Amino acid sequence: DQQVKQNSPSLSVQEGRISILNCDYTNSMFDYFLWYKKYPAEGPTFLISISSIKDKNEDGRFTVFLNKSAKHLSLHIVPSQPGDSAVYFCAASALGDKIIFGKGTRLHILP
Amino acid sequence: EAGVTQSPTHLIKTRGQQATLRCSPISGHTSVYWYQQALGLGLQFLLWYDEGEERNRGNFPPRFSGRQFPNYSSELNVNALELEDSALYLCASSLRAASTSTDTQYFGPGTRLTVL
Repeated sequence: DQQVKQNSPSLSVQEGRISILNCDYTNSMFDYFLWYKKYPAEGPTFLISISSIKDKNEDGRFTVFLNKSAKHLSLHIVPSQPGDSAVYFCAASALGDKIIFGKGTRLHILP
Repeated sequence: EAGVTQSPTHLIKTRGQQATLRCSPISGHTSVYWYQQALGLGLQFLLWYDEGEERNRGNFPPRFSGRQFPNYSSELNVNALELEDSALYLCASSLRAASTSTDTQYFGPGTRLTVL
């Protein structure tokens, strides 16, 4: 039973445009959501997070939106840069319990 | 500041053998987490240690075990290796047990385990 779903295995976006990565979850107890970025041969690095009491969190070019009623969150990257090409993992946790990760979406930024 | 380190980088074993993977957390971090990233399955939570105690365990058989040492480093042991254990094993550490879900986990580069 996959509690955190990233339905798009890959996404290609033109450099300078907006990248939108989507994530759906099933557990209504999740109260904290995170995005991690992973380059080949490296461990995931924390990108941005959002608490369930908010619906938006912004950090530079990265914005995470949370729609609790739809159990959906998305990561927006504007503008997309070549260095953004990586695998992005959506993750969630409930009340300080273990973090559940999605399968990841590979983002390709095209020149 | 040194990040999370893992050893070895690569490990090749045969079916039925045992594998031992090691992780050193960031200095000052007391919590260590282990994840398995198998092909097509994303990151699967394995184990969580804090202050030497096992805090939580994922849906893995008992042949996956580990421990945390007094210096907070950790070991993951996989007994009776099976072909499907081939995966990237990632270790992460955080400042303390994420009781408020706000403690970021910092990941190591992983150990690539191949079972032949």
